[in-house]
Amino acid sequence: AQTVTQSQPEMSVQEAETVTLSCTYDTSESDYYLFWYKQPPSRQMILVIRQEAYKQQNATENRFSVNFQKAAKSFSLKISDSQLGDAAMYFCAYPMEYGNKLVFGAGTILRVKS
Amino acid sequence: SAVISQKPSRDICQRGTSLTIQCQVDSQVTMMFWYRQQPGQSLTLIATANQGSEATYESGFVIDKFPISRPNLTFSTLTVSNMSPEDSSIYLCSVEDPREPQYFGPGTRLLVL
Repeated sequence: AQTVTQSQPEMSVQEAETVTLSCTYDTSESDYYLFWYKQPPSRQMILVIRQEAYKQQNATENRFSVNFQKAAKSFSLKISDSQLGDAAMYFCAYPMEYGNKLVFGAGTILRVKS
Repeated sequence: SAVISQKPSRDICQRGTSLTIQCQVDSQVTMMFWYRQQPGQSLTLIATANQGSEATYESGFVIDKFPISRPNLTFSTLTVSNMSPEDSSIYLCSVEDPREPQYFGPGTRLLVL
């Protein structure tokens, strides 16, 4: 069964510093996507970044980047120059079937200190 | 990305009643999904709704409790039937087209008394 594990229930970072959120997953597929979603207090789920497994290059979106280690089945999210608006719950997600049925990790609460 | 709206945004209901949640998308999409997020928890998929066919439910969710309609490619409804306090959750719809990630609606926050 596919599973997604986020081992950090909560993380804190000082404003302008860098923080890394970890995620591991389990799959027997070779071609798939991985996603990080952000859920601020408004509860809106916002797509932060996605990674295609067949691409060796790590995805980057402005201050957000991933460290994708396919062999280790690891997919961590790095947030650089952290801002107060980055405070939220972050979920790692993997589709059970290609493009469908997202399985979410338990989430990591990120707190940003000013 | 698709723009998704949900109605109502929140509601407080009495146990034993039913609530229908609407999900509207600004473009035609192939697949729509309904998720539940219980307080302090992650998201769990309830069902997949495709236009023109019966919804496909995940383990632990049944049609009698969560009937779903998908009358066209831009709209879907989820009904939470015979509610109990355990149904208090945020209900989210999401949409997906091939080669695109899933985008989520703003959610419906339900409290059952």
